Amino acid sequence: QVQLQESGPGLVKPSQTLSLTCSVSGGSISSGGYYWSWIRQHPGKGLEWIGYLYNSASLFYNPSLQSRVTIFADTSKNQFSLMLSSVTAADTAMYYCARVSRSSWKWFDYWGQGTLVTVSS
Amino acid sequence: DIQMTQSPSSLSASVGDRVTITCRASQIISTYLHWYQQKPGKAPKLLIYAASSLQSGVPSRFSGSGSATDFTLTISSLQSEDFATYYCQQSYSTPFTFGPGTRVDIK
Repeated sequence: QVQLQESGPGLVKPSQTLSLTCSVSGGSISSGGYYWSWIRQHPGKGLEWIGYLYNSASLFYNPSLQSRVTIFADTSKNQFSLMLSSVTAADTAMYYCARVSRSSWKWFDYWGQGTLVTVSS
Repeated sequence: DIQMTQSPSSLSASVGDRVTITCRASQIISTYLHWYQQKPGKAPKLLIYAASSLQSGVPSRFSGSGSATDFTLTISSLQSEDFATYYCQQSYSTPFTFGPGTRVDIK
């Protein structure tokens, strides 16, 4: 059974960089043909896809965030991470990591529990 | 970006009711459409993938249909544990996008 767990600071100051890590158990992020993704949800709002990582190297980001986002993997720890630079209050959200199915249909089949990040001075 | 809309935005229903939620894409997405259930304070949970395939472990009262631009999620007999918000998501093209959600609450 695959499990994902997000970790990182719950409070980030404006203009700083948000950094989160997703630890994966029950499967390797560097094999199996899966994609690994970050998704966020603003308080009381819908879901926004941030980007995904494939094979520990191939990346695709949401163009709306592309200039500020980096996703990368640490295969030795079976983790992948999100960095979002120059944050503002608009980046306050629940951040989820998720596994993307290896099917070409690409649904999110496993999710972490989420971590709330607040941007405030 | 492909825009996803859902209707209704919310509904009230009773246990045992048949519930139908509609999702529409702004362009043809074949069957690259998936449904999730989210309860308060929890992560979304996959219910239906590829428009009509039931995720393992999901009760058979949930079903999905549709293709191209119009899709439906049906709960054949609503149970107390089904009160939640439901989202559709397209994976036809990046950026992946979600519908705004349909909240199902108790009448």
